[in-house]
Amino acid sequence: EAEVAQSPRYKITEKSQAVAFWCDPISGHATLYWYRQILGQGPELLVQFQDESVVDDSQLPKDRFSAERLKGVDSTLKIQPAELGDSAMYLCASSLSTKGTYEQYFGPGTRLTVT
Amino acid sequence: GQNIDQPTEMTATEGAIVQINCTYQTSGFNGLFWYQQHAGEAPTFLSYNVLDGLEEKGRFSSFLSRSKGYSYLLLKELQMKDSASYLCAVREGDSSNTGKLIFGQGTTLQVKP
Repeated sequence: EAEVAQSPRYKITEKSQAVAFWCDPISGHATLYWYRQILGQGPELLVQFQDESVVDDSQLPKDRFSAERLKGVDSTLKIQPAELGDSAMYLCASSLSTKGTYEQYFGPGTRLTVT
Repeated sequence: GQNIDQPTEMTATEGAIVQINCTYQTSGFNGLFWYQQHAGEAPTFLSYNVLDGLEEKGRFSSFLSRSKGYSYLLLKELQMKDSASYLCAVREGDSSNTGKLIFGQGTTLQVKP
């Protein structure tokens, strides 16, 4: 069964350092999402891509976060500089469509700890 | 504003039935999803409702009332492996159809022997 791949699974970094996460969606899924999930809360959308274009980045802290999906396939989320409050699970998801019954498939996530 | 409310925690006994409620107030509505998330793992899809009524899938059922802004997830014949967090998520309806999901905080269900 096809899955969303993410790496690394765990990342520990010091504050003020740069960190990057990678996501490879299910083949054929044009829509890709990056979520942040703080422990005990539901996921919060950071950025959404349709192919290589950003369609929603209203909740992305643009002073320190950036995301790209250059060829419309895999994607990278970067944080620079990292802050203590960035410690969270970063989830990537993809879907075949944004309409109808098409659900979002989530990857295993990257657990980020900022010290 | 956008608001999705779920109970924070619930406890139930193995073999029993449990109902997890979700109420929502969002800017537009284009479907409601339930996801299951085991500790430290990614959410996995359970159910989708866009019309009023009950959707049944094995031991899991989900109900929606759009007029009341209300949904519930019903789990029957509880098993120990059902101990997890259950996330209610509403897909916003907007002209751009981005399909954005707004998640509740999740309900942590503990199944006891």
